[in-house]
Amino acid sequence: QLQLQESGPGLVKPSETLSVTCTVSGGSISSSSYYWGWIRQSLGKGLEWIGTIYYSGSTYYNLSLKSRVTISVDTSKNQFSLKLSSVTAADTAIYYCARHWRLRYFDLWGRGTLVTVSS
Amino acid sequence: DIQMTQSPSSVSASVGDRVTITCRASQDISSWLAWYQQKPGKAPKLLIYAASSLQSGVPSRFSGSGSGTDFTLTISSLHPEDFATYYCQQANSFLTFGGGTKVEIK
Repeated sequence: QLQLQESGPGLVKPSETLSVTCTVSGGSISSSSYYWGWIRQSLGKGLEWIGTIYYSGSTYYNLSLKSRVTISVDTSKNQFSLKLSSVTAADTAIYYCARHWRLRYFDLWGRGTLVTVSS
Repeated sequence: DIQMTQSPSSVSASVGDRVTITCRASQDISSWLAWYQQKPGKAPKLLIYAASSLQSGVPSRFSGSGSGTDFTLTISSLHPEDFATYYCQQANSFLTFGGGTKVEIK
């Protein structure tokens, strides 16, 4: 059964870069049927799509975050990663990775990882 | 960006009640809409996609309807495990979520 698991530091300082990795197990990230996405959830803004990547490396970003976001994929490790630069307290949230079906719907989610931005 | 507005923001209901949640898009999204259920401390779970298609494994008491700008999620008879927060998400142009509707025990 396919599973996703986020990992990364729980605390990031303001102005630094947030980095979170999602490890896919029980299946291949190189499946032609699926994309792989990042969503975050904060108290202030609810659920927010950050961006999505295909195993080939094609990326799709939320325009409101695009200038600060980089999503990459490592098929040899069955992982994809999120980097968010120049973070502020407003970036404090639970970060979820998810399987992005048809580039439309998120049909399988990781458990999420809380990232707090604070000095 | 397409804005998604859910109503009500919360609803109190009893086991066995019929519950209806609405979601309005700021522009026509055809049928590109999903509904998710989220329980405290857990990730969202896909319930409905393409406005009315039931995701595999989801009980048939959940149903979705609508197209264009107005959509509805209905729980025909509330079970104890259905008390949760529900979100809509448009998939027409980039992706945005509604603000959520919390279904609470009356």
